[in-house]
Amino acid sequence: AAGVIQSPRHLIKEKRETATLKCYPIPRHDTVYWYQQGPGQDPQFLISFYEKMQSDKGSIPDRFSAQQFSDYHSELNMSSLELGDSALYFCASSLTDSGGLGTQYFGPGTRLLVL
Amino acid sequence: GQQLNQSPQSMFIQEGEDVSMNCTSSSIFNTWLWYKQDPGEGPVLLIALYKAGELTSNGRLTAQFGITRKDSFLNISASIPSDVGIYFCAGLKRGQGAQKLVFGQGTRLTINP
Repeated sequence: AAGVIQSPRHLIKEKRETATLKCYPIPRHDTVYWYQQGPGQDPQFLISFYEKMQSDKGSIPDRFSAQQFSDYHSELNMSSLELGDSALYFCASSLTDSGGLGTQYFGPGTRLLVL
Repeated sequence: GQQLNQSPQSMFIQEGEDVSMNCTSSSIFNTWLWYKQDPGEGPVLLIALYKAGELTSNGRLTAQFGITRKDSFLNISASIPSDVGIYFCAGLKRGQGAQKLVFGQGTRLTINP
């Protein structure tokens, strides 16, 4: 079965640079979520999109923005990168019911290293 | 932010032993999910639980949705080396819009051959 696709898998940037992470959800899934995971931590929710509209926002810095496009893929744009932004970034997708519930399936992640 | 209480935080067992871990919360969840994560990889869904009292198996894995909807456990029987990794519980609550996962702190499983 098709899974969530993320690109790139690895990214090295310097401080103050910009990065764009891409996510392609499972076909027919209508919701995309972005999570950030630091070493030894559980994933922390950043932002989600349902049917191309922003649904919820978590601990996402103002330097980050995201959107979901007409083909349901999503991009996370990160500007003015800081050393502390080095982490694993996961995208998950789900088919969401009327109560806001949807089993989330995760992509393989993008490992971002900021030097 | 809100987090589920997952225990134990780590386990060191012998191959072939059974494993049990659990998650508790002070509030009710409508869905419980168990994921396994290998280093540098994304969490992989193991079991999803949708109803209070539900008991679900996936091979050697068994998980239950607590009757109070405030807890869940995951059991692994006859552990093998590929079971090594970090196991996360995660919960979902009904609400307006797509709901984010609330995670436990994870249980790191190490198996001595």
